[in-house]
Amino acid sequence: DSGVTQTPKHLITATGQRVTLRCSPRSGDLSVYWYQQSLDQGLQFLIQYYNGEERAKGNILERFSAQQFPDLHSELNLSSLELGDSALYFCASSPGLAGGSYNEQFFGPGTRLTVL
Amino acid sequence: GQNIDQPTEMTATEGAIVQINCTYQTSGFNGLFWYQQHAGEAPTFLSYNVLDGLEEKGRFSSFLSRSKGYSYLLLKELQMKDSASYLCAVAHTGGFKTIFGAGTRLFVKA
Repeated sequence: DSGVTQTPKHLITATGQRVTLRCSPRSGDLSVYWYQQSLDQGLQFLIQYYNGEERAKGNILERFSAQQFPDLHSELNLSSLELGDSALYFCASSPGLAGGSYNEQFFGPGTRLTVL
Repeated sequence: GQNIDQPTEMTATEGAIVQINCTYQTSGFNGLFWYQQHAGEAPTFLSYNVLDGLEEKGRFSSFLSRSKGYSYLLLKELQMKDSASYLCAVAHTGGFKTIFGAGTRLFVKA
């Protein structure tokens, strides 16, 4: 158990819908990262927050947005869902910013999103 | 930009040694991570290198050459449970991103 929690574990929805994925980082970690992993694909970096502020952005679609709240939990919002959005969405946390062995990322169990 | 290359798949025999290579091109290098990921599960941290050289941790070792943009993960005394994907990831100073390679799927056979 990494100490990172994600809800829900599974989510099945229809095209065109909107969903929210939730992540609680490990106690004391200030950085939260979101990744998308499609079937047999690598981890695609979406976005990173540090202490409530957006710090880095990857290839995140405009239909996707995220935020980190004062209590440091984070939410990833996916809207106008398409079939291709079906994937495992991982949240990870680290004590600070990227780099440094103390900044290894601890991954949550993931949310499996299926868009029908 | 950044580019990370790893072999797609490798097969090795239980008890043997296997080396998984990773080459990268990036600016603002701030360290290289190796993670292990079993199918359907979350990645777990294996190692971190920021200086050139070899870091040993039990059966696993990781090597980095910054001038060559090259790293490898060495797994000794392979066990069946080592069958997993191994992800090379580069941390950046600018933008604070960590970019993952596509991963190498390792099959350990008896």
